[in-house]
Amino acid sequence: DTGVSQDPRHKITKRGQNVTFRCDPISEHNRLYWYRQTLGQGPEFLTYFQNEAQLEKSRLLSDRFSAERPKGSFSTLEIQRTEQGDSAMYLCASSLVLRRGLSLRSGNTIYFGEGSWLTVV
Amino acid sequence: QQQVKQSPQSLIVQKGGISIINCAYENTAFDYFPWYQQFPGKGPALLIAIRPDVSEKKEGRFTISFNKSAKQFSLHIMDSQPGDSATYFCAASARRGKLIFGQGTELSVKP
Repeated sequence: DTGVSQDPRHKITKRGQNVTFRCDPISEHNRLYWYRQTLGQGPEFLTYFQNEAQLEKSRLLSDRFSAERPKGSFSTLEIQRTEQGDSAMYLCASSLVLRRGLSLRSGNTIYFGEGSWLTVV
Repeated sequence: QQQVKQSPQSLIVQKGGISIINCAYENTAFDYFPWYQQFPGKGPALLIAIRPDVSEKKEGRFTISFNKSAKQFSLHIMDSQPGDSATYFCAASARRGKLIFGQGTELSVKP
């Protein structure tokens, strides 16, 4: 399967600890997104990368959160000094966005991974 | 203006019936409207998507109806099956940017 891969799938951590999630996008996808989803809610946008450049960050992304995408391939999302309110599923997604002037029949199809569940105790 | 409002929050339909989920948006810059299906413990999976230059798109039992003037779009699931029981999210994006999701609809199809 060459879909979006996330690791770990589940993480239980004590409040105050740091955690890091990894995302491997679909091969050749140049755009990578991070979302957060809590029970009973839709995914909320956190940040996204175009290749290695972080183009947008949500106000939800506090100073304790940092995301990187070195070399424009895999990405990591780190949460420092975790709080109970950080408990959620962290979703990674990727898409292929062509240069302006070219079109892609499938449009802006964004593919999601299975998510990484974080529980802060 | 960035919100996408979805209703109903939950829906119970008999097997073989039609499931209808509605969404509304305010941002006229939105130009891509996908629907995602999510099963418990899984990530969202793209079901069907539409662009505002068409009023309807059908793929199998799933149809999106789009009303640009009303800024509304809906998902119709024909001949609903118990296997369709899941949470459905509408979403919208502008200029190939990030997706803004609705709050979700938990669909339960009773046998």
